[in-house]
Amino acid sequence: QQQVKQSPQSLIVQKGGISIINCAYENTAFDYFPWYQQFPGKGPALLIAIRPDVSEKKEGRFTISFNKSAKQFSLHIMDSQPGDSATYFCAARGSNQFYFGTGTSLTVIP
Amino acid sequence: GAVVSQHPSRVICKSGTSVKIECRSLDFQATTMFWYRQFPKQSLMLMATSNEGSKATYEQGVEKDKFLINHASLTLSTLTVTSAHPEDSSFYICSATAGSGQPQHFGDGTRLSIL
Repeated sequence: QQQVKQSPQSLIVQKGGISIINCAYENTAFDYFPWYQQFPGKGPALLIAIRPDVSEKKEGRFTISFNKSAKQFSLHIMDSQPGDSATYFCAARGSNQFYFGTGTSLTVIP
Repeated sequence: GAVVSQHPSRVICKSGTSVKIECRSLDFQATTMFWYRQFPKQSLMLMATSNEGSKATYEQGVEKDKFLINHASLTLSTLTVTSAHPEDSSFYICSATAGSGQPQHFGDGTRLSIL
């Protein structure tokens, strides 16, 4: 059973556009929601994270929006750049274990 | 930021060989380390969770005698793939966390290819 559902599977965005990736979860005990960025042949790198008592967190061009009642959270990448092309994973933590979404392959075209 | 070093980055070996992968937290003490396996264009599949000084907890379907995990210190965990076969070829990634409530930091992964 997939604890965290992520969409879309792939995304193509024009340079300068906004990339939006969505995730949904069921377990209300999850207490921490990170997003990871992974380049080919590399391990995932922590990008930004949020806790459920906050509805939005912004770091530079990256923003997490969190909707606790809907059990959904999303990553917004503003002014998307070709260097942002990578695979993005959302995750949720419960009982000190992390559950990952299936990943979104983002391609930003010049 | 927190750094996790994984070594080697790539291994190519013959079927039947045992392969050891090291995962080190360089600038923090990792009370918990995780080992994942990732197939091409897929998500991370948790194999096992290891806490320093105790036996690893394996996920369902992961053979503990096949994938030996040792977490002897707060900065080092090792994964040994014993008697590796071509179906064990994959990208193995470790991660570490300083404790409950702390973020998880990943190594750069090990590409294992069994001929």
